[in-house]
Amino acid sequence: ILNVEQSPQSLHVQEGDSTNFTCSFPSSNFYALHWYRWETAKSPEALFVMTLNGDEKKKGRISATLNTKEGYSYLYIKGSQPEDSATYLCAFDGSQGNLIFGKGTKLSVKP
Amino acid sequence: NAGVTQTPKFQVLKTGQSMTLQCAQDMNHNSMYWYRQDPGMGLRLIYYSASEGTTDKGEVPNGYNVSRLNKREFSLRLESAAPSQTSVYFCASSGLQGAVARGYTFGSGTRLTVV
Repeated sequence: ILNVEQSPQSLHVQEGDSTNFTCSFPSSNFYALHWYRWETAKSPEALFVMTLNGDEKKKGRISATLNTKEGYSYLYIKGSQPEDSATYLCAFDGSQGNLIFGKGTKLSVKP
Repeated sequence: NAGVTQTPKFQVLKTGQSMTLQCAQDMNHNSMYWYRQDPGMGLRLIYYSASEGTTDKGEVPNGYNVSRLNKREFSLRLESAAPSQTSVYFCASSGLQGAVARGYTFGSGTRLTVV
């Protein structure tokens, strides 16, 4: 069974803090690594799809890096705002034809 | 707006009742998926359809059936609901960029309670 691990499970930061969290995934049969943002009572929304080792993606204050050789990806949020509060999911796309999701990191940003 | 439409949003069933969750997408995506979300478990794949006419089991298929009616629609059926199927269900779809799935587009979810 393929395993996708995310850490930490939850994170509480103050407005203005920068933060990062980790996704680890199998390093074999790698096609892509996805990141999603999931706000409470809504559905997950795609942030990034990363395919190449060393990839870096950025959207506003959020960025992500990818290391396929060692099987990890980092998501960074610079200057967190209360509206960044959400669960951040990563998902591994291997050769199985569908995504395997991690359990997510729940971020709470206090004003 | 283009996207994934999922119905119903809420449903309460008695044990043993049957129901079908409907999902439709208007983005011309080939692949469609059904996930369930339970506290502490994350999103778990029930069934998926890589293309019209094909369906495959995911991680937790027992107690469910699916139908890929056409390219747009992918339904999930509970033949005899059990309390263990109380969950939030999400439908999703994706296209392909080369051999790699683009980001999934999710429906708004169905909160199902089986009593």
